[in-house]
Amino acid sequence: DGGITQSPKYLFRKEGQNVTLSCEQNLNHDAMYWYRQDPGQGLRLIYYSQIVNDFQKGDIAEGYSVSREKKESFPLTVTSAQKNPTAFYLCASKPDLAKNIQYFGAGTRLSVL
Amino acid sequence: GQQLNQSPQSMFIQEGEDVSMNCTSSSIFNTWLWYKQDPGEGPVLLIALYKAGELTSNGRLTAQFGITRKDSFLNISASIPSDVGIYFCAGHRYNNNDMRFGAGTRLTVKP
Repeated sequence: DGGITQSPKYLFRKEGQNVTLSCEQNLNHDAMYWYRQDPGQGLRLIYYSQIVNDFQKGDIAEGYSVSREKKESFPLTVTSAQKNPTAFYLCASKPDLAKNIQYFGAGTRLSVL
Repeated sequence: GQQLNQSPQSMFIQEGEDVSMNCTSSSIFNTWLWYKQDPGEGPVLLIALYKAGELTSNGRLTAQFGITRKDSFLNISASIPSDVGIYFCAGHRYNNNDMRFGAGTRLTVKP
C-alpha cells in the first residue's frame, strides 16, 4: 500500500535523552514536513525538506533536528534541548512544489517519563 | 508564524442537523484545505480549494474559498455519528513553502 508511515505510534523519553521519530513515504513525493500538535492549537511546523540533502527550519525548530538522506525518509530527532517535548508529532509529504496539498501520516505520540 | 482563526472551537449537534464552520486570516491565501482528524490519527484531506469564490462539494460536505482570499468555510449537511472528529482548515500562501492551520473545530454528533 502506498502511504506515509510513522513509527513508533507511542514513544517515551527519559530526561536528557534524544529520541528519533521515523517517517517513511513510498509516494515518491518531493517535499516532507514535520509538525507538532498540542491540544487546542493548530499544527506548528518544525522542519521541512523540499529535496534530498536539504531542509529548512520551521517556526519551532529549536530542540529538534532532521536529516533527508533519502527521498522517502525524513526522520526527526527530539533532542534533550527540547524541554517540553510531550506532544503529538505529525509527518506530512507533498507531491510537488506546484500542488499545495499535504498528506499526513498517522502520527507519533511522545511522552516524557 | 500566525495561525488561522477557526470557529467555532467546538459544536454539539443532533444527528441530522447541518453544521457550518469557518476560518479567517489577515493574510491572503492561494489554497485553502479542509481536513478531518480522528483521535490519535493523522488528518485526512476532505476538500481542496484553489480559486477565490470556488465552491466544492464532497458528498455531504461543501466548502468555499472566500472572495477576499482571506477566509473559507465548510458545511456538513445531514450530520451522522461518524462525522464526529476534529475539522481543521489550512491555508497555503503564494510563494510560501509552508501551510498555516486553524486550531480545529471539535464536532460531537448526538444520535
